[in-house]
Amino acid sequence: QKEVEQDPGPLSVPEGAIVSLNCTYSNSAFQYFMWYRQYSRKGPELLMYTYSSGNKEDGRFTAQVDKSSKYISLFIRDSQPSDSATYLCAMSAAGNTPLVFGKGTRLSVIA
Amino acid sequence: GAVVSQHPSRVICKSGTSVKIECRSLDFQATTMFWYRQFPKQSLMLMATSNEGSKATYEQGVEKDKFLINHASLTLSTLTVTSAHPEDSSFYICSAMAAPTDTQYFGPGTRLTVL
Repeated sequence: QKEVEQDPGPLSVPEGAIVSLNCTYSNSAFQYFMWYRQYSRKGPELLMYTYSSGNKEDGRFTAQVDKSSKYISLFIRDSQPSDSATYLCAMSAAGNTPLVFGKGTRLSVIA
Repeated sequence: GAVVSQHPSRVICKSGTSVKIECRSLDFQATTMFWYRQFPKQSLMLMATSNEGSKATYEQGVEKDKFLINHASLTLSTLTVTSAHPEDSSFYICSAMAAPTDTQYFGPGTRLTVL
Protein backbone atom coordinates (compact mmCIF):
# COMPACT_ATOMS: atom_id res chain seq x y z
CA GLN A 1 0.00 0.00 0.00
CA LYS A 2 1.34 3.41 -0.93
CA GLU A 3 1.69 6.00 1.79
CA VAL A 4 -0.71 8.39 0.08
CA GLU A 5 -3.45 7.34 -2.30
CA GLN A 6 -5.22 9.79 -4.58
CA ASP A 7 -7.57 9.05 -7.46
CA PRO A 8 -5.88 10.45 -10.58
CA GLY A 9 -9.17 11.15 -12.35
CA PRO A 10 -9.70 12.78 -14.73
CA LEU A 11 -12.66 14.47 -13.10
CA SER A 12 -14.91 16.57 -15.29
CA VAL A 13 -17.63 18.81 -13.82
CA PRO A 14 -19.85 21.62 -15.11
CA GLU A 15 -19.15 25.20 -14.12
CA GLY A 16 -20.73 26.04 -10.77
CA ALA A 17 -20.57 22.49 -9.41
CA ILE A 18 -19.15 21.57 -6.03
CA VAL A 19 -16.00 19.53 -6.43
CA SER A 20 -14.77 17.01 -3.88
CA LEU A 21 -11.17 15.81 -4.02
CA ASN A 22 -9.86 13.21 -1.62
CA CYS A 23 -6.76 11.45 -0.40
CA THR A 24 -6.22 8.59 1.99
CA TYR A 25 -3.00 7.80 3.77
CA SER A 26 -1.52 5.02 5.85
CA ASN A 27 1.05 6.76 8.05
CA SER A 28 -0.59 7.77 11.32
CA ALA A 29 2.36 10.04 12.07
CA PHE A 30 1.30 12.57 9.44
CA GLN A 31 0.32 15.83 11.11
CA TYR A 32 0.65 18.45 8.38
CA PHE A 33 -1.65 18.35 5.39
CA MET A 34 -1.57 20.47 2.29
CA TRP A 35 -3.34 20.86 -1.01
CA TYR A 36 -1.50 22.20 -4.02
CA ARG A 37 -2.85 23.21 -7.43
CA GLN A 38 -0.66 22.68 -10.45
CA TYR A 39 -1.38 24.06 -13.88
CA SER A 40 0.19 22.39 -16.86
CA ARG A 41 3.95 23.03 -17.10
CA LYS A 42 3.95 25.11 -13.92
CA GLY A 43 5.12 24.56 -10.37
CA PRO A 44 2.59 23.59 -7.67
CA GLU A 45 0.83 26.45 -5.92
CA LEU A 46 -0.12 26.09 -2.25
CA LEU A 47 -3.89 26.29 -1.76
CA MET A 48 -4.54 25.07 1.75
CA TYR A 49 -2.45 24.17 4.77
CA THR A 50 -3.89 22.33 7.75
CA TYR A 51 -2.30 21.08 10.91
CA SER A 52 -3.86 18.02 12.55
CA SER A 53 -7.62 17.38 12.27
CA GLY A 54 -10.44 19.73 11.48
CA ASN A 55 -11.76 22.03 8.78
CA LYS A 56 -10.29 25.11 7.20
CA GLU A 57 -12.04 27.44 4.82
CA ASP A 58 -10.55 29.99 2.44
CA GLY A 59 -12.92 31.59 -0.03
CA ARG A 60 -14.37 28.88 -2.27
CA PHE A 61 -12.03 26.24 -0.87
CA THR A 62 -12.56 24.08 2.22
CA ALA A 63 -10.04 21.54 3.47
CA GLN A 64 -11.04 18.77 5.84
CA VAL A 65 -8.80 16.40 7.75
CA ASP A 66 -10.09 13.29 9.51
CA LYS A 67 -7.12 11.70 11.19
CA SER A 68 -9.17 8.89 12.68
CA SER A 69 -10.04 7.72 9.18
CA LYS A 70 -6.73 8.86 7.64
CA TYR A 71 -8.71 10.79 5.07
CA ILE A 72 -8.41 14.33 3.79
CA SER A 73 -10.63 16.27 1.42
CA LEU A 74 -10.65 19.47 -0.54
CA PHE A 75 -13.97 20.99 -1.54
CA ILE A 76 -14.28 23.63 -4.23
CA ARG A 77 -17.55 25.55 -4.32
CA ASP A 78 -18.91 27.34 -7.39
CA SER A 79 -16.20 25.79 -9.55
CA GLN A 80 -14.86 27.87 -12.42
CA PRO A 81 -13.09 26.92 -15.66
CA SER A 82 -9.98 28.55 -14.20
CA ASP A 83 -10.01 25.84 -11.50
CA SER A 84 -9.13 23.30 -14.19
CA ALA A 85 -5.78 21.94 -13.06
CA THR A 86 -4.18 19.01 -11.26
CA TYR A 87 -4.72 19.01 -7.51
CA LEU A 88 -2.09 17.37 -5.36
CA CYS A 89 -2.49 16.43 -1.73
CA ALA A 90 0.68 16.39 0.35
CA MET A 91 1.49 15.58 3.92
CA SER A 92 4.32 15.20 6.38
CA ALA A 93 4.94 13.99 9.89
CA ALA A 94 6.99 16.95 11.02
CA GLY A 95 7.21 20.51 9.86
CA ASN A 96 10.70 20.32 8.45
CA THR A 97 10.53 16.98 6.68
CA PRO A 98 9.91 16.29 3.00
CA LEU A 99 6.33 16.13 1.84
CA VAL A 100 4.78 12.92 0.63
CA PHE A 101 2.57 13.64 -2.36
CA GLY A 102 -0.44 11.96 -3.82
CA LYS A 103 -0.37 11.34 -7.56
CA GLY A 104 -2.68 14.25 -8.21
CA THR A 105 -6.24 14.47 -9.53
CA ARG A 106 -6.77 16.13 -12.88
CA LEU A 107 -9.87 18.36 -12.76
CA SER A 108 -11.66 19.91 -15.73
CA VAL A 109 -14.42 22.46 -15.15
CA ILE A 110 -16.52 22.82 -18.27
CA ALA A 111 -18.12 26.18 -19.04
CA GLY B 1 4.76 36.80 0.08
CA ALA B 2 6.62 33.48 -0.14
CA VAL B 3 7.77 33.63 -3.74
CA VAL B 4 10.23 31.14 -5.14
CA SER B 5 11.89 31.64 -8.51
CA GLN B 6 13.77 29.26 -10.74
CA HIS B 7 16.16 29.98 -13.55
CA PRO B 8 16.17 29.06 -16.33
CA SER B 9 12.55 28.16 -17.00
CA ARG B 10 13.54 26.06 -19.97
CA VAL B 11 16.82 24.68 -21.22
CA ILE B 12 17.75 22.54 -24.18
CA CYS B 13 21.23 21.05 -24.23
CA LYS B 14 23.29 18.45 -25.99
CA SER B 15 24.00 15.08 -24.45
CA GLY B 16 27.12 15.15 -22.30
CA THR B 17 26.89 18.77 -21.23
CA SER B 18 26.18 20.03 -17.72
CA VAL B 19 23.24 22.21 -16.80
CA LYS B 20 22.83 24.37 -13.71
CA ILE B 21 19.41 25.28 -12.34
CA GLU B 22 18.99 28.00 -9.72
CA CYS B 23 16.29 28.16 -7.07
CA ARG B 24 15.81 31.37 -5.12
CA SER B 25 13.50 32.34 -2.29
CA LEU B 26 12.76 35.98 -3.09
CA ASP B 27 11.13 37.33 0.04
CA PHE B 28 12.09 34.92 2.78
CA GLN B 29 15.04 32.93 4.00
CA ALA B 30 15.02 29.18 3.60
CA THR B 31 17.40 26.96 5.51
CA THR B 32 15.87 23.98 3.74
CA MET B 33 15.06 23.58 0.07
CA PHE B 34 13.95 20.51 -1.82
CA TRP B 35 14.51 19.37 -5.39
CA TYR B 36 11.92 17.32 -7.24
CA ARG B 37 11.55 15.96 -10.73
CA GLN B 38 8.27 15.33 -12.46
CA PHE B 39 7.62 13.25 -15.56
CA PRO B 40 4.55 13.94 -17.70
CA LYS B 41 1.29 13.12 -15.93
CA GLN B 42 3.19 11.87 -12.90
CA SER B 43 3.45 13.27 -9.40
CA LEU B 44 6.51 14.94 -7.96
CA MET B 45 9.42 12.70 -7.04
CA LEU B 46 11.69 13.99 -4.32
CA MET B 47 15.32 13.92 -5.41
CA ALA B 48 17.12 15.54 -2.51
CA THR B 49 16.88 17.78 0.51
CA SER B 50 19.19 20.77 0.49
CA ASN B 51 20.25 22.37 3.76
CA GLU B 52 22.10 25.66 3.84
CA GLY B 53 25.74 25.18 4.70
CA SER B 54 25.73 21.39 4.66
CA LYS B 55 25.68 18.50 2.25
CA ALA B 56 22.44 17.59 0.56
CA THR B 57 20.57 14.45 1.49
CA TYR B 58 19.68 12.36 -1.55
CA GLU B 59 16.78 9.99 -1.94
CA GLN B 60 17.42 6.37 -2.72
CA GLY B 61 18.26 5.84 -6.35
CA VAL B 62 19.34 9.42 -7.02
CA GLU B 63 23.00 9.68 -8.01
CA LYS B 64 24.64 12.40 -5.97
CA ASP B 65 27.57 12.68 -8.38
CA LYS B 66 25.22 13.27 -11.27
CA PHE B 67 22.89 15.71 -9.54
CA LEU B 68 25.10 18.14 -7.66
CA ILE B 69 23.33 20.33 -5.15
CA ASN B 70 24.76 23.44 -3.55
CA HIS B 71 22.92 25.51 -0.96
CA ALA B 72 25.40 28.32 -0.43
CA SER B 73 23.06 30.90 1.09
CA LEU B 74 19.70 31.17 2.81
CA THR B 75 18.05 32.25 -0.44
CA LEU B 76 19.78 30.19 -3.11
CA SER B 77 20.14 26.52 -3.94
CA THR B 78 21.50 25.18 -7.21
CA LEU B 79 21.07 21.84 -8.94
CA THR B 80 23.65 20.88 -11.54
CA VAL B 81 22.87 17.99 -13.84
CA THR B 82 26.28 16.74 -14.90
CA SER B 83 26.90 14.95 -18.18
CA ALA B 84 23.23 15.11 -19.03
CA HIS B 85 21.65 12.37 -21.13
CA PRO B 86 18.26 12.21 -22.86
CA GLU B 87 16.82 10.18 -19.98
CA ASP B 88 17.49 13.17 -17.70
CA SER B 89 14.96 15.19 -19.68
CA SER B 90 12.26 16.14 -17.20
CA PHE B 91 10.58 18.94 -15.32
CA TYR B 92 12.70 19.92 -12.32
CA ILE B 93 10.99 21.80 -9.50
CA CYS B 94 12.42 23.22 -6.30
CA SER B 95 10.64 24.18 -3.13
CA ALA B 96 11.72 26.31 -0.20
CA MET B 97 10.56 25.96 3.34
CA ALA B 98 9.28 29.14 5.01
CA ALA B 99 9.25 29.70 8.76
CA PRO B 100 7.44 29.57 11.11
CA THR B 101 5.00 27.04 9.66
CA ASP B 102 7.67 25.27 7.56
CA THR B 103 5.27 25.43 4.64
CA GLN B 104 6.85 24.51 1.32
CA TYR B 105 6.51 26.96 -1.53
CA PHE B 106 7.37 25.80 -5.00
CA GLY B 107 9.22 27.42 -7.83
CA PRO B 108 7.73 27.53 -11.34
CA GLY B 109 9.89 24.65 -12.54
CA THR B 110 12.60 24.17 -15.15
CA ARG B 111 11.97 22.07 -18.21
CA LEU B 112 15.15 20.30 -19.26
CA THR B 113 15.42 18.71 -22.67
CA VAL B 114 18.59 16.80 -23.49
CA LEU B 115 19.09 16.08 -27.16
